[in-house]
Amino acid sequence: DTGVSQDPRHKITKRGQNVTFRCDPISEHNRLYWYRQTLGQGPEFLTYFQNEAQLEKSRLLSDRFSAERPKGSFSTLEIQRTEQGDSAMYLCASSTRPGQSNTGELFFGEGSRLTVL
Amino acid sequence: GEDVEQSLFLSVREGDSSVINCTYTDSSSTYLYWYKQEPGAGLQLLTYIFSNMDMKQDQRLTVLLNKKDKHLSLRIADTQTGDSAIYFCAERTGGSYIPTFGRGTSLIVHP
Repeated sequence: DTGVSQDPRHKITKRGQNVTFRCDPISEHNRLYWYRQTLGQGPEFLTYFQNEAQLEKSRLLSDRFSAERPKGSFSTLEIQRTEQGDSAMYLCASSTRPGQSNTGELFFGEGSRLTVL
Repeated sequence: GEDVEQSLFLSVREGDSSVINCTYTDSSSTYLYWYKQEPGAGLQLLTYIFSNMDMKQDQRLTVLLNKKDKHLSLRIADTQTGDSAIYFCAERTGGSYIPTFGRGTSLIVHP
């Protein structure tokens, strides 16, 4: 399977604990995105990488959130001191540079669902 | 700022056509997308349209774009129960690599 993969698929944690999610993008994709989705909402942008460089961060990404993509391949999203409001589906997506045969459209993984008790 | 609006629910009978509507506010939107999300899964790209096009057809899917009114629609012909899902409209300007998504329209197909 050469799609975007995310791990873990589900995580239940207690408030105050740290959690880390991993995303492996499609191998030839240089752009990687993290979005958050809560019930009844569309995906909300969190942050985006081009290769290993984090190019943009949303205001939603508080200082408890940190994302890395150290070698320009997989990425991790860490949430420190989790709060109940962090409960959501965390979606990773990847894309190539827009060109003649594509618009740079995003390909999504299955998501990592976080429940904070 | 960017905003993408969709109606939240649509219910159709199996075999009928479904039309899902979307409006956006950014007049510089260059690319407009439709994604499908089934329960517990990620988003799957269905189709897209460039802002210089009025219509795009792909098998049972027809996308119509009214750039003047900033209105996008997705028509699904001969809707099947397997089409039941949430459909998201998304837009992206040429100067940004970050699509903005609507809240999604939940399509319910009943026999």
